[in-house]
Amino acid sequence: DQQVKQNSPSLSVQEGRISILNCDYTNSMFDYFLWYKKYPAEGPTFLISISSIKDKNEDGRFTVFLNKSAKHLSLHIVPSQPGDSAVYFCAASPLFSGGYNKLIFGAGTRLAVHP
Amino acid sequence: DTEVTQTPKHLVMGMTNKKSLKCEQHMGHRAMYWYKQKAKKPPELMFVYSYEKLSINESVPSRFSPECPNSSLLNLHLHALQPEDSALYLCASSQADTNYGYTFGSGTRLTVV
Repeated sequence: DQQVKQNSPSLSVQEGRISILNCDYTNSMFDYFLWYKKYPAEGPTFLISISSIKDKNEDGRFTVFLNKSAKHLSLHIVPSQPGDSAVYFCAASPLFSGGYNKLIFGAGTRLAVHP
Repeated sequence: DTEVTQTPKHLVMGMTNKKSLKCEQHMGHRAMYWYKQKAKKPPELMFVYSYEKLSINESVPSRFSPECPNSSLLNLHLHALQPEDSALYLCASSQADTNYGYTFGSGTRLTVV
């Protein structure tokens, strides 16, 4: 049973336009949400995160929106650049109780930004 | 140093072999993780170490044996693997006292023949 779902395996966007990647989750105990980016032959790198007490977090071209009632989050990239082409993973973590984080990952969305 | 280093990058092993994957970090992180990722699937948690003690084993078969010899090192010992164990094995680390994300290594691509 997938607790974190990314229903779009791929997305193609023109350079300069907005990329919107979506993620849904089922576990209401999730407290913290993250987006990771992964290039081929590399490990995932942290991109942006949001706590469940917020509904929006912005970092430069990247904005994450959280809708707790819908159990949905999205990542907006504006403007999209060819270097953004990668696989994007959504991840969720339950309430932190110390010692370690247990991240649950979605299956990923492959973003292709073309000129 | 803000990296997690995994060696080797690629490994091909037979089903009767014994091999080890190594992970090292010098960021002072006291939580370390092993994930397994198959093609077009999300990373799946295998083991978690917190302060050098095994905190989570996600019902991983005993042919995978983790070890955390000190706060900077994490090993994964492999023995009698099956071809279906072929995957990308990712190591990650995080702070143990805050709810921040992980720093991942670049992974070891394992092929079992």
